[in-house]
Amino acid sequence: DAGVIQSPRHEVTEMGQEVTLRCKPISGHDYLFWYRQTMMRGLELLIYFNNNVPIDDSGMPEDRFSAKMPNASFSTLKIQPSEPRDSAVYFCASSFVAFEQFFGPGTRLTVL
Amino acid sequence: AQTVTQSQPEMSVQEAETVTLSCTYDTSENNYYLFWYKQPPSRQMILVIRQEAYKQQNATENRFSVNFQKAAKSFSLKISDSQLGDTAMYFCAFTSANTGNQFYFGTGTSLTVIP
Repeated sequence: DAGVIQSPRHEVTEMGQEVTLRCKPISGHDYLFWYRQTMMRGLELLIYFNNNVPIDDSGMPEDRFSAKMPNASFSTLKIQPSEPRDSAVYFCASSFVAFEQFFGPGTRLTVL
Repeated sequence: AQTVTQSQPEMSVQEAETVTLSCTYDTSENNYYLFWYKQPPSRQMILVIRQEAYKQQNATENRFSVNFQKAAKSFSLKISDSQLGDTAMYFCAFTSANTGNQFYFGTGTSLTVIP
């Protein structure tokens, strides 16, 4: 297995634009997590899914953020409209039950 | 609510020496898992070691070992024979089936190995 795959690896966009981050979890994993990491706030859980169903989205900062998991092998995190304060590294991770979380390489987002 | 606390924001160690990173957690659960993750400058999060709460024996992985004190809710990471490649941010994490398998991370300890 190739591990958790995220795309793009880097994204530079201008304020107000829509940004879509993508994630492909490890096959067979039933949990998928989206995190945001910044120097100021550290690693924050945004939302997580179990069997494609969102379980807890209390970490989503505001309505500009949305996440979907249409099937077991794909998830998206969308920011619309983007703002400079959204600049961060966004990680996707997947796990099987309570075993370790496997992280993707992250997407570094810069909003100008 | 579950919390994970890492009280050492930064640490340094001489190459080949031993260093211990601290982690405490708070939970009312009895069955849970604890983890140490490493994040090098490449920013990839890598699992270092895992401990199941029901196991009394401390987990070890080569140069990495933990000191798991369940009653004290303490989970420290010992790195022996430190190498330059150990320079990274280290995160302690907790999860439990009764918390929806959500992972709770500490704020991290930045470790620098000095040649």
